[in-house]
Amino acid sequence: NAGVMQNPRHLVRRRGQEARLRCSPMKGHSHVYWYRQLPEEGLKFMVYLQKENIIDESGMPKERFSAEFPKEGPSILRIQQVVRGDSAAYFCASSLRTDYGYTFGSGTRLTVV
Amino acid sequence: ILNVEQSPQSLHVQEGDSTNFTCSFPSSNFYALHWYRWETAKSPEALFVMTLNGDEKKKGRISATLNTKEGYSYLYIKGSQPEDSATYLCAFRGDSGAGSYQLTFGKGTKLSVIP
Repeated sequence: NAGVMQNPRHLVRRRGQEARLRCSPMKGHSHVYWYRQLPEEGLKFMVYLQKENIIDESGMPKERFSAEFPKEGPSILRIQQVVRGDSAAYFCASSLRTDYGYTFGSGTRLTVV
Repeated sequence: ILNVEQSPQSLHVQEGDSTNFTCSFPSSNFYALHWYRWETAKSPEALFVMTLNGDEKKKGRISATLNTKEGYSYLYIKGSQPEDSATYLCAFRGDSGAGSYQLTFGKGTKLSVIP
């Protein structure tokens, strides 16, 4: 039972580049959530997905950010044209049901230089 | 904007001491309250999901209570051990509208247990 796998653990991008963060949920979990932790801040909700569907993306910035959870493969959080303010730790979590506790991944630490 | 407050921000206790900390959340539109333990360099780990007013949950030496009418939850650790050192997060889930799948996290209480 590998848990929630996120990769890469650390990602460095220059301003204007694209960042792609991957998340493989726990086996059997169909609910995936992305949270962001900015420096000195708590975890903030970004998006909730089920297989092939975005259920709630109200926490996502309107531009440059997108997420998907295809039928096959991991969930992807994509940030286009990164800016310094995107530097943060991005955590993925999954759950068996929405009313269960979440299993979190180890996070991807994005640094924009 | 939902406000989830945790206190204290940090806490140092001696090994063997019992301790508790507080999570305050909105008392309306309540659906669930989550507690997580987050050790340095690891992922947050689910401790409890609480849904009913008056709920009490226990896992080993850690227990939690819930008061949805007044909007608070307490986390208790009995006989603290160095391995309990971690940041303890609570997260509120409301029951209404588009935000009903979101968890709103507090900033956590950082516990350090001194051997």
